[in-house]
Amino acid sequence: NAGVTQTPKFRILKIGQSMTLQCTQDMNHNYMYWYRQDPGMGLKLIYYSVGAGITDKGEVPNGYNVSRSTTEDFPLRLELAAPSQTSVYFCASSPSGTSGTFSYEQYFGPGTRLTVT
Amino acid sequence: AQTVTQSQPEMSVQEAETVTLSCTYDTSESDYYLFWYKQPPSRQMILVIRQEAYKQQNATENRFSVNFQKAAKSFSLKISDSQLGDAAMYFCAYRSQFTSGTYKYIFGTGTRLKVLA
Repeated sequence: NAGVTQTPKFRILKIGQSMTLQCTQDMNHNYMYWYRQDPGMGLKLIYYSVGAGITDKGEVPNGYNVSRSTTEDFPLRLELAAPSQTSVYFCASSPSGTSGTFSYEQYFGPGTRLTVT
Repeated sequence: AQTVTQSQPEMSVQEAETVTLSCTYDTSESDYYLFWYKQPPSRQMILVIRQEAYKQQNATENRFSVNFQKAAKSFSLKISDSQLGDAAMYFCAYRSQFTSGTYKYIFGTGTRLKVLA
């Protein structure tokens, strides 16, 4: 049981380049999330998904796109990278249950440190 | 909208001593969940402790305990017998009720804890 995995761990992009950050979870969670964490700050929600084929914007979606074709995978696409997208990106997942034996916290991947120069 | 406030950007504690990290939140919901996450230099987000709002009893996990004051909307984390490995950024988080098709997690800006030998 690997939990939430993210690739790559580090990446340097030039302005205007594009890339996809990969995220996979093996816990059969319906809910998945993408956050960015700027230096010394908390987490800001970029996009989230409540199941395969269903995605929605968070508070900072501009410059990003997502897709969710399977329960396991939730890739984040950066188009036309800009220096303002320099950040650490976290993928997270959580179950849809609310009580009983369900846990309800988010499980996080190890993060991707992205630098745009 | 819900907000989470951590008013202490940085705290220090002597090894083996006790420290309390503060968190306040604002919400109109009656049912919700609160969490403390630890983020060590590795950047991995690790769940420390969770609290269900409907439970009056404060959650405890070994050396970690919370003081949950629902009326005051306060959720502080107490670390007893502090160890060098406790040095990290600590985030307080709030999970809202199920609305608009998902649960929203709101994070505070974090408190950096230094443990002095």
